[in-house]
Amino acid sequence: SQQGEEDPQALSIQEGENATMNCSYKTSINNLQWYRQNSGRGLVHLILIRSNEREKHSGRLRVTLDTSKKSSSLLITASRAADTASYFCATGNDMRFGAGTRLTVKP
Amino acid sequence: GAVVSQHPSRVICKSGTSVKIECRSLDFQATTMFWYRQFPKQSLMLMATSNEGSKATYEQGVEKDKFLINHASLTLSTLTVTSAHPEDSSFYICSARDPRGVYNEQFFGPGTRLTVL
Repeated sequence: SQQGEEDPQALSIQEGENATMNCSYKTSINNLQWYRQNSGRGLVHLILIRSNEREKHSGRLRVTLDTSKKSSSLLITASRAADTASYFCATGNDMRFGAGTRLTVKP
Repeated sequence: GAVVSQHPSRVICKSGTSVKIECRSLDFQATTMFWYRQFPKQSLMLMATSNEGSKATYEQGVEKDKFLINHASLTLSTLTVTSAHPEDSSFYICSARDPRGVYNEQFFGPGTRLTVL
């Protein structure tokens, strides 16, 4: 079964707005990773957050982790049309993925 | 980050033929590689975990005799789709775990689009 589950499944926003995606998981983790996938392409690693971290930033990306709730969020600030992609979280040594969030940023 | 390549990037074959897909870690040795398949607009489904020098571990529902995995070296894992049928048409993605990383960071290949006619 899949480990991470993203929410919402689809998100459509205007350029310049912020986009927030959530991920929930079931078991204890050492770390959680977020990936982006453009249509028909491979996955691009965005950010890794360790289980002892609560928040991490990378450019316009902000990731939070709440191990008590077994959830993580990915915030993309000042979104751009180029951010249009599917976003996945993955956990566990065997890297199981949730269904992903399809983000559309309209210019 | 580390680089993982896949070859071919796209393949079209006739039903009943076998197709081999290669996954290579270019700048690190990967003791563990993973194979996923992805249908359009769906998530990645883990097919199997490939360990160098040992048999692959397949996920429930994945036929090991149909999807042959060989991890003969620390930089190469291959997935062979045997007797391919149209329902095997999918996007196949491999990933490799970088052992130099403390937190099991994984890097993904660009994927292989398989179309079975």
